[in-house]
Amino acid sequence: GQQVMQIPQYQHVQEGEDFTTYCNSSTTLSNIQWYKQRPGGHPVFLIQLVKSGEVKKQKRLTFQFGEAKKNSSLHITATQTTDVGTYFCAGPSSGTYKYIFGTGTRLKVLA
Amino acid sequence: DAGVIQSPRHEVTEMGQEVTLRCKPISGHNSLFWYRQTMMRGLELLIYFNNNVPIDDSGMPEDRFSAKMPNASFSTLKIQPSEPRDSAVYFCASSLRGADTEAFFGQGTRLTVV
Repeated sequence: GQQVMQIPQYQHVQEGEDFTTYCNSSTTLSNIQWYKQRPGGHPVFLIQLVKSGEVKKQKRLTFQFGEAKKNSSLHITATQTTDVGTYFCAGPSSGTYKYIFGTGTRLKVLA
Repeated sequence: DAGVIQSPRHEVTEMGQEVTLRCKPISGHNSLFWYRQTMMRGLELLIYFNNNVPIDDSGMPEDRFSAKMPNASFSTLKIQPSEPRDSAVYFCASSLRGADTEAFFGQGTRLTVV
């Protein structure tokens, strides 16, 4: 079945360092979404990418959708302690209404 | 809008008891999803509804789990009988138009079965 994998599973960084998580789908996606879940919280939508090769920025966060629309990345510049949490990518399952969520990357930022 | 509302926030129950989790989606949203999250298995989709109709329940673990959506503003997830391995955080999420639009998650119900 359709799968969405993320790497790395865990990442510890020193505050101020950059961070990148990668998302890979086994099938082409019509769009990719990114969510952040703070410890003890619920997933919160960050952004949606639709076009091949699309790049979007939100302050220190840069999101990219691959040319083949099968992979995506989230890059955080100069991490802060507020960036702590798990980052999930998600895409629609082919021909259905449902999301396929990635395995998530848990980020810890050491002050 | 208050967002997706789930109740209860926490539930502790004894093995064998029936548990009912409740969800009120955002008004106007056509799609509703139930997820289970554990450390071992991550975020698992249990079932989703479109226009109140169950579309895919292939993620429901077994017959002990059932879900209903009697109207556009209410859904329940029931576990009967509950078992310790059902302990997890259960999230309800809704979206305007399936996976083409962003999902709004509720705060979750943390279920502990002892």
